[in-house]
Amino acid sequence: DAKTTQPNSMESNEEEPVHLPCNHSTISGTDYIHWYRQLPSQGPEYVIHGLTSNVNNRMASLAIAEDRKSSTLILHRATLRDAAVYYCILRDESNSGYALNFGKGTSLLVTP
Amino acid sequence: DGGITQSPKYLFRKEGQNVTLSCEQNLNHDAMYWYRQDPGQGLRLIYYSQIVNDFQKGDIAEGYSVSREKKESFPLTVTSAQKNPTAFYLCASRRLQGGNQPQHFGDGTRLSIL
Repeated sequence: DAKTTQPNSMESNEEEPVHLPCNHSTISGTDYIHWYRQLPSQGPEYVIHGLTSNVNNRMASLAIAEDRKSSTLILHRATLRDAAVYYCILRDESNSGYALNFGKGTSLLVTP
Repeated sequence: DGGITQSPKYLFRKEGQNVTLSCEQNLNHDAMYWYRQDPGQGLRLIYYSQIVNDFQKGDIAEGYSVSREKKESFPLTVTSAQKNPTAFYLCASRRLQGGNQPQHFGDGTRLSIL
């Protein structure tokens, strides 16, 4: 599986936008970029995914670089409830049964 | 509401004992997964199953066993051969049709050694 690189931790103020980066320089043409987040003592939660175009949903936006070697998860207005570990994961849909390869992710701290 | 139920929330194991963690889903998902998470680490895949009566080993299957007799159930047994079982165990499921479906996770079982 192609690997991703994320900062270990980031900090944001409440009600400000947060940009969480992810590098994936060895991404293949069939890899989708997925983002999950994990709140303390809970299971991970799906956030968003995309292939080439930028994506928006009610939780976040995903900006994908033109060469697809990096992407950014954007939380438009951070709240205290957004404090979590955010995982950027590449997934090849041709291996449809395969699990997700979770790294250590980025721990986001949101301060009031 | 549809979802994944893991039980128990906390579990203690004595030396030499096998314990079984329950995972049930009512989402009608085909695939189910078991992950292990150690403190400060990401998730590692133990086993997964795409269809009833079939399952595959993940990266750290040694000391664990699973069964998939029903579509909605995927129990994990932590055997006495697993020498370091203390961890947070997460079950997930996913629909296979429709392309790129997300995984849905339960709230986990925290296993400790007595």
